Amino acid sequence: AQSVTQLGSHVSVSEGALVLLRCNYSSSVPPYLFWYVQYPNQGLQLLLKYTSAATLVKGINGFEAEFKKSETSFHLTKPSAHMSDAAEYFCAVSDNSGTYKYIFGTGTRLKVLA
Amino acid sequence: DTAVSQTPKYLVTQMGNDKSIKCEQNLGHDTMYWYKQDSKKFLKIMFSYNNKELIINETVPNRFSPKSPDKAHLNLHINSLELGDSAVYFCASSHQQGYTEAFFGQGTRLTVV
Repeated sequence: AQSVTQLGSHVSVSEGALVLLRCNYSSSVPPYLFWYVQYPNQGLQLLLKYTSAATLVKGINGFEAEFKKSETSFHLTKPSAHMSDAAEYFCAVSDNSGTYKYIFGTGTRLKVLA
Repeated sequence: DTAVSQTPKYLVTQMGNDKSIKCEQNLGHDTMYWYKQDSKKFLKIMFSYNNKELIINETVPNRFSPKSPDKAHLNLHINSLELGDSAVYFCASSHQQGYTEAFFGQGTRLTVV
């Protein structure tokens, strides 16, 4: 069964610093992977997705993620943090074995320090 | 136009009451979901419907009953509400489940007092 592990429930970075949010997955089939962002009192918004095309995926708001099969990782990065990036970030894997669900990690709260 | 819309956004009710949350998507998707987000922000699948057919019931108490009158709507009815039901409930939809992203509603914050 697929699963997702996000290391670090809280990450703090200074404004302008590199953002690195970690996600490792477990999947018995080629996975489809997603990063979502949740701002306070809002729903989840897709940042980017990996669906077996290019391993380096670019998303919205300057975020990108690299799929590394050998490391079973899909870490999210952004070269320069902005105050508006403060939010909760979720990595998810789709259960594409036909059972119709997305499995989410436990989330990482990103704090951006001025 | 909101892609996935849920009503109400906030719901405060007493223990023992029955309440419903409605969800509509205008994306033409075949698959719809209900997720529950607890106080620690953990997201857990509750139900999944594909073309109005229940596909997943993820060990949810039978006090929770989803209903999909058509592909664009998935409602959630909760009987005999308990304190532990307090959470944020998200509706979502997707096309070709798993191969594309899910689109989420804004959530319904349910508080049981």
